[in-house]
Amino acid sequence: QVHLVESGGGVVQPGGSLRLSCASSGFTFNIYGMHWVRQAPGKGLEWVAFIRYDGSDYYADSVKGRFTISRDNSKKTLYLQMNSLRDEDTAVYYCAKDYAGGIRTFDFWGQGTLVTVSS
Amino acid sequence: EIVMTQSPASLSVSPGERATLSCGASQTVSGNLAWFQQKAGQAPRLLIYGASTRATGIPARFSGSGSGTDFTLTISSLQSEDFAVYYCQQYSEWPLTFGGGTKVEI
Repeated sequence: QVHLVESGGGVVQPGGSLRLSCASSGFTFNIYGMHWVRQAPGKGLEWVAFIRYDGSDYYADSVKGRFTISRDNSKKTLYLQMNSLRDEDTAVYYCAKDYAGGIRTFDFWGQGTLVTVSS
Repeated sequence: EIVMTQSPASLSVSPGERATLSCGASQTVSGNLAWFQQKAGQAPRLLIYGASTRATGIPARFSGSGSGTDFTLTISSLQSEDFAVYYCQQYSEWPLTFGGGTKVEI
């Protein structure tokens, strides 16, 4: 079965950096796109970034130029490099598998990792 | 970006009753709409995609309808495990966007 496990969250000061990882298993990682979705405490869901199987990427305007999504197909792992972090980036960050076939939704999710941006 | 609006923000229902949740898009998304269920402390779960197709393992009491700008999620007979927050999401255009959610509570 599909399994996604995020790691790398923690407390970071405003302006700092953090790299999240998402280890995958149970599916052929290198043929699927992958997403990051976040949820601020007590708030709704916000899509953050997407990377296709071939490495092309898309970002929400709120993180464009600060966050970079990447993948290592040999390790079946997804990453999110977050730079210039702001208070408003505080959230649980989920990695999610793309449904595929042009259906840009999320059929499997990890349990999430909490990022807290605070001085 | 396409703004998704859900109503009501919260809905009080009793087990066994029918629940109807609405989702509107600021411009047409055709049938490129999904619904998610999220329980407290858990990741979201995909219920519906393509506006009306149930995802794998989703019970038949969940149904989706609509196209263009107006969509509905119906839970025909609420079970205790259905009390949760429900989100719609459009995937017609980048950026992908979610509605603000509807909390279904007793």
